[in-house]
Amino acid sequence: DAKTTQPNSMESNEEEPVHLPCNHSTISGTDYIHWYRQLPSQGPEYVIHGLTSNVNNRMASLAIAEDRKSSTLILHRATLRDAAVYYCILSANDYKLSFGAGTTVTVRA
Amino acid sequence: GAGVSQSPRYKVAKRGQDVALRCDPISGHVSLFWYQQALGQGPEFLTYFQNEAQLDKSGLPSDRFFAERPEGSVSTLKIQRTQQEDSAVYLCASSSLFPSNQPQHFGDGTRLSIL
Repeated sequence: DAKTTQPNSMESNEEEPVHLPCNHSTISGTDYIHWYRQLPSQGPEYVIHGLTSNVNNRMASLAIAEDRKSSTLILHRATLRDAAVYYCILSANDYKLSFGAGTTVTVRA
Repeated sequence: GAGVSQSPRYKVAKRGQDVALRCDPISGHVSLFWYQQALGQGPEFLTYFQNEAQLDKSGLPSDRFFAERPEGSVSTLKIQRTQQEDSAVYLCASSSLFPSNQPQHFGDGTRLSIL
């Protein structure tokens, strides 16, 4: 699977938007971009995924660059509950997820 | 509705003992996955089942690791002759098969400590 690059950590203030970048310059045409997050002492939780077009759901938005070599996960109004490790994952085969180290998001009250 | 359930939540074993970890997937989910997560790292894929068939076991670290899903629902991950490097959180996930690219739903894992 193609690799992704994410910052190690990001900080945000409560009720402000958070933009989490992910670079995936070697992405192939069949790779989907998935985002999961993991709260302390819990299993990973699905956030959102997309292929080419921007995607929105109740949790977040996913903005995908036109060349697909990068993407950004947007949390519109951060809450303390959004403090977690966020993983950007490429997957073409529908099952094997390669998580990497992710971005640790801290939310300040 | 009920999510993925894993038991036990915590397991402590002495080096050399055998352990068995259980996963109850979401009812009706065809696909089941096991991952291993070492402290401070992201989860790493171990194995994948579609119903009772183990289609990919490329991530199992050694022949001491064995997984089964005999009736296509509950799965067990067994580790024989445990070693200290087996200490980790073992995560189970399940998903439906169709349409493609369905999210994986994870349990909260079993934290295994080998003394």
